[in-house]
Amino acid sequence: SYVLTQPPSVSVAPGKTARFSCEGDSVESESVHWYQHIPGQAPVVVISYNGDRPSGIPERFSGSKSGTTATLIISRVEAGDEADYYCQVWDRDSDLWVFGGGTKLTVL
Amino acid sequence: QVQLRESGPGLVKPSETLSLVCTVSGGSISGKYWSWIRQPPGKGLEWLGFIFYSGTTNYNPSLGSRISMSVDMPNNQVSLKLTSVTAADTAVYYCVRLHLEEGWGPFAPWGQGTLVTVSS
Repeated sequence: SYVLTQPPSVSVAPGKTARFSCEGDSVESESVHWYQHIPGQAPVVVISYNGDRPSGIPERFSGSKSGTTATLIISRVEAGDEADYYCQVWDRDSDLWVFGGGTKLTVL
Repeated sequence: QVQLRESGPGLVKPSETLSLVCTVSGGSISGKYWSWIRQPPGKGLEWLGFIFYSGTTNYNPSLGSRISMSVDMPNNQVSLKLTSVTAADTAVYYCVRLHLEEGWGPFAPWGQGTLVTVSS
């Protein structure tokens, strides 16, 4: 089981908005980071510290959190966004860096 | 920009030791935290541990005493050793930098990863 819970899959048509949730007690008190992982490539951080967008990441990517749930939003989804998306926090109670189980984005 | 490259045997026999080296280019390992993360086939990401450039370590307790990490400052490298491996250790292993700024930050950048298969 995962300290962070993510839905296994999300499907969205091109040009629409994709929303990814990440739920866990640690989300409320710790910074959440989001990664895009295209199979065969190195994972890339797309959102850090809950809502910061690293240099080079399109403005279509945004992040937020409320209580124990963090959300990654991809606006105007493109075919190239198809990937697995993972949330990650440092779990203070266990002193472990933990990932959610990941959500696979399918662009229809 | 900083780039990480993992290297090591792609096949390790059960009960033997998995040894990987991460070579960092485009920047120094000094002053920074470095981690190893793995992904078994078809599964999610698992954090294995981190090492600070000074040698301070923090390992995932799930690995017990099997894991160790070290730094080689002159060669700008970080190493991972995992002893007594089993098939459950088969995974893609990634070397990553762990940021510490406004609290613990993200893992970035990541190496390309290297697949290690445990099999006789």
